[in-house]
Amino acid sequence: AQSVAQPEDQVNVAEGNPLTVKCTYSVSGNPYLFWYVQYPNRGLQFLLKYITGDNLVKGSYGFEAEFNKSQTSFHLKKPSALVSDSALYFCAVRDGVSGNTPLVFGKGTRLSVIA
Amino acid sequence: GAVVSQHPSWVICKSGTSVKIECRSLDFQATTMFWYRQFPKQSLMLMATSNEGSKATYEQGVEKDKFLINHASLTLSTLTVTSAHPEDSSFYICSAASPGGGTDTQYFGPGTRLTVL
Repeated sequence: AQSVAQPEDQVNVAEGNPLTVKCTYSVSGNPYLFWYVQYPNRGLQFLLKYITGDNLVKGSYGFEAEFNKSQTSFHLKKPSALVSDSALYFCAVRDGVSGNTPLVFGKGTRLSVIA
Repeated sequence: GAVVSQHPSWVICKSGTSVKIECRSLDFQATTMFWYRQFPKQSLMLMATSNEGSKATYEQGVEKDKFLINHASLTLSTLTVTSAHPEDSSFYICSAASPGGGTDTQYFGPGTRLTVL
């Protein structure tokens, strides 16, 4: 069975500084990895995904993530944080390429960007 | 990206009543939709997989007679919480992905906050 770990409940960063939100995964086959962001009382917004190809994936709002197979990690990064990036971030994995396979989510990491 | 809507966005009901939540894919067809539940400050937990034209597949521990799922068309899935109780109060979120066609991303609805008094 697949699983995702987000080791940090909370990440605080000053506006303009780089940010990293950590994620490690465990799957039996090939990993298909996703990052979503959730604003208060809202659904999840898709940020980026890794299916295959380049290990560095670029997504929405200037976010990117690096797939590291040896470390089984898929950390989310942004070079310069904005206050508006403050939200709850979820890493997710599934063990099938099809979108008809459900996602397994990490517990989420709350990002707080301080002006 | 694709758009998934949910209705209502929030609902308050009395204990013992039933509540229906709709999930629609607005600009694509979805043979499969997923229903998740999210408690405050917690992650999303998959409740069931909704398949168009067939019975839903429920996750272990989810009562299928309590959480009725109907996926009557390629753009609509409904979740009915029957005989709701306060412990059913939660944030319910659906997601959908296009069948094949190279789209492998699930898109999520905005969620429905259910409060049972």
